Amino acid sequence: EIVMTQSPVTLSVSPGERATLSCRASQSVGTNLAWYQQKPGQAPRLFIYSASTRATGIPARFSGSGSGTEFTLTISSLQSEDFAIYYCQQYNDWPLTFGGGTKVEIK
Amino acid sequence: QVQLVESGGGVVQPGRSLRLSCAASGFTFNTYAMYWVRQAPGKGLEWVAVISYHGTIKKYADSVEGRFTISRDNSKNTLYLQMNSLRADDTAVYYCARDQREYSYGYPLPFWGQGTLVTVSS
Repeated sequence: EIVMTQSPVTLSVSPGERATLSCRASQSVGTNLAWYQQKPGQAPRLFIYSASTRATGIPARFSGSGSGTEFTLTISSLQSEDFAIYYCQQYNDWPLTFGGGTKVEIK
Repeated sequence: QVQLVESGGGVVQPGRSLRLSCAASGFTFNTYAMYWVRQAPGKGLEWVAVISYHGTIKKYADSVEGRFTISRDNSKNTLYLQMNSLRADDTAVYYCARDQREYSYGYPLPFWGQGTLVTVSS
């Protein structure tokens, strides 16, 4: 099983600042990596797939990068609606696995 | 628009069974693989099972293999999860989700239901 490790667990950021979230895979997943946002009481929402492609309707301030085992989700200028938990997920091999999540909170 | 609506959750005793349903609309159901993903209270996401668009390919997480069965009725646009021999650690919100690509599986999940809570407790 491919283990996905996200860091940090919690990220405290002020509105307007940049946020950088990391995701590491225990073995290469190529670019078969997705990012999801989840807010309390809501289902996850796909934000990024293929490591760097924004899903439909996702603002340009969100960008994804990386390949192999190291990935990054960057939010260039945090807006109030961006405070949430973000999960990475690999879909290169079965079982599909998610990272433990990074909570982006208001500083 | 795509809609996925789960139902069937509730409180069940350990060792008992429960069947979840997911009613799909707004897309051609029989051309997409479908998934169950769960989330224990306060925890992260865990993939549970996937079924191909035609229903002939099924995969399960080790944690549910042999106890859970995923199925679909393409004539009713409905996905199911039969859960047997339930344990306390199966307590979670169960989401159904749709694959990104038609006629394939193992891709990202752009559409999710609102989830249904399963609580396993005596």
